[in-house]
Amino acid sequence: EPEVTQTPSHQVTQMGQEVILRCVPISNHLYFYWYRQILGQKVEFLVSFYNNEISEKSEIFDDQFSVERPDGSNFTLKIRSTKLEDSAMYFCASGSGGAYEQYFGPGTRLTVT
Amino acid sequence: GQSLEQPSEVTAVEGAIVQINCTYQTSGFYGLSWYQQHDGGAPTFLSYNALDGLEETGRFSSFLSRSDSYGYLLLQELQMKDSASYFCAVRGYSGNTPLVFGKGTRLSVIA
Repeated sequence: EPEVTQTPSHQVTQMGQEVILRCVPISNHLYFYWYRQILGQKVEFLVSFYNNEISEKSEIFDDQFSVERPDGSNFTLKIRSTKLEDSAMYFCASGSGGAYEQYFGPGTRLTVT
Repeated sequence: GQSLEQPSEVTAVEGAIVQINCTYQTSGFYGLSWYQQHDGGAPTFLSYNALDGLEETGRFSSFLSRSDSYGYLLLQELQMKDSASYFCAVRGYSGNTPLVFGKGTRLSVIA
């Protein structure tokens, strides 16, 4: 069964450093998403991506965040200068056009110290 | 804006039936989804309702009333492995828009 994969599973970084979180969506999917979940809280939308551009973003997704699809398979989230409050689980998700289900990857736990 | 309300915790006995309610307020509505999340795991899709009524998938069923802005997830024949957090989530205007999640209901199944 196809699945979304994410690397790394856990990333520890110092405040102010840049991190790149990587995702490989399901191969025939067209819509890609990043969500985050602070420990014990709800899942929050960050950004959606379609046709090589951002289609929607939340107020959390400020100028320090960026996304990219550098090739036909990877989808990345970059945080330019991490802050303590960026510590969270980051989930990548993908969906096919018109489908109601989004498939989530296993997540990357980001710890900013 | 969009907001969803669901109970924070529910406890039920193994083999029993439990219902987790969700009410929502949205500027647009395309459908209500339910996701399961075990501790440390990713959200996993359970069910989806776009129209009023009941959708059944094995031991899990989901109900939607658009006029009441209300839905619920029904879990039957509870098993210990059903202990997890359950999130309702809505989409605003199409099948590809981002999900807006509720805060989740933590279900504990006890023997």
